[in-house]
Amino acid sequence: GENVEQHPSTLSVQEGDSAVIKCTYSDSASNYFPWYKQELGKGPQLIIDIRSNVGEKKDQRIAVTLNKTAKHFSLHITETQPEDSAVYFCAPFRTYKYIFGTGTRLKVLA
Amino acid sequence: DAEITQSPRHKITETGRQVTLACHQTWNHNNMFWYRQDLGHGLRLIHYSYGVHDTNKGEVSDGYSVSRSNTEDLPLTLESAASSQTSVYFCASSDSGVETQYFGPGTRLLVL
Repeated sequence: GENVEQHPSTLSVQEGDSAVIKCTYSDSASNYFPWYKQELGKGPQLIIDIRSNVGEKKDQRIAVTLNKTAKHFSLHITETQPEDSAVYFCAPFRTYKYIFGTGTRLKVLA
Repeated sequence: DAEITQSPRHKITETGRQVTLACHQTWNHNNMFWYRQDLGHGLRLIHYSYGVHDTNKGEVSDGYSVSRSNTEDLPLTLESAASSQTSVYFCASSDSGVETQYFGPGTRLLVL
């Protein structure tokens, strides 16, 4: 079956530094690659996504890069702030397949 | 504003009891989903629906059922609650042809 792995599982960075989370998937038919952020006590919320025909997408301090050949995509957060502390999930998607990674807990230290 | 709500937010029940968790969305989305979240497993799909009267099994559907009688609601029923079903349950919805899912706030269920 589909295998989705996220690394690292936990990440601590100093405020202002950058953070990178990588998601590796096995299903070559995946064609949509979102990242969700889950704050404590809340449901996940989409923060950025990318489709298979694009290599990189940016939205202010966050970006996603995709390497379809190697089957991985990464979340990049620059100039991290305390409010970036949360759990982040990747969810590579193809029709009728809804699989989430196991999550990365990001802690931004002030 | 459109939203997705879940009730109750917290529930304690005993093994063997039937439990129903409610999910209601006001976006008029055709697609609705139920996930459970456990430490070390992330989010796992239980059931999903692409429209009224449509239901499909997900990765971890055993012991759970859903029915879709209207667009707005997808209740999740645990037929006979087991301690292994202690978890946080999230409902989500998405529009037809759109992959982005919108999640509810979750229901924390404890089965004793």
